[in-house]
Amino acid sequence: DVKVTQSSRYLVKRTGEKVFLECVQDMDHENMFWYRQDPGLGLRLIYFSYDVKMKEKGDIPEGYSVSREKKERFSLILESASTNQTSMYLCASKTTDLSGNTIYFGEGSWLTVV
Amino acid sequence: RKEVEQDPGPFNVPEGATVAFNCTYSNSASQSFFWYRQDCRKEPKLLMSVYSSGNEDGRFTAQLNRASQYISLLIRDSKLSDSATYLCVVNQLTGGGNKLTFGTGTQLKVEL
Repeated sequence: DVKVTQSSRYLVKRTGEKVFLECVQDMDHENMFWYRQDPGLGLRLIYFSYDVKMKEKGDIPEGYSVSREKKERFSLILESASTNQTSMYLCASKTTDLSGNTIYFGEGSWLTVV
Repeated sequence: RKEVEQDPGPFNVPEGATVAFNCTYSNSASQSFFWYRQDCRKEPKLLMSVYSSGNEDGRFTAQLNRASQYISLLIRDSKLSDSATYLCVVNQLTGGGNKLTFGTGTQLKVEL
């Protein structure tokens, strides 16, 4: 079974703290993604990566950075958490192979910044 | 203009009804398209891929119109269990990888 694992399901952090959200996939997928999901706004793409050490900005990268040092791991970093970053964060992975259409999601990380 | 747009709904329909959702996309270079279903507080799950020739899976039919840049999802004989949010997803090839953009989702409520 393909698995995308987000290590932290529920976090509460203080404003200004540095926050790491980790995501690991076990299918050797080239592509990995970080989204945040907020009511009425759907899933918005923060950053994505198509290879080790490669990263591209999504639609809302401000206030975030990412790291992809190994193929299976894609980390989202909030350098200085703010209350408007309270959200549900979803990690996803997908093969580049055109025959592989499925996007695999983690279970989500619920972050509250107080 | 958003890259991927959907009517957020909610669509409230009686059981047994037929309901259709549309999704428009702005980038004509988009490569592939999907419909995902998301239940409350769960991660999205693949419902079906969308092909130019149209495709059907049981009560669900998906269509792609490249000329007008929209995709559609038709659900026949709606069941209570179809109540969920339906997300349109557009895949663009970029820099050797994939950029997956989601619509905001359309909420469906099937009622007795």
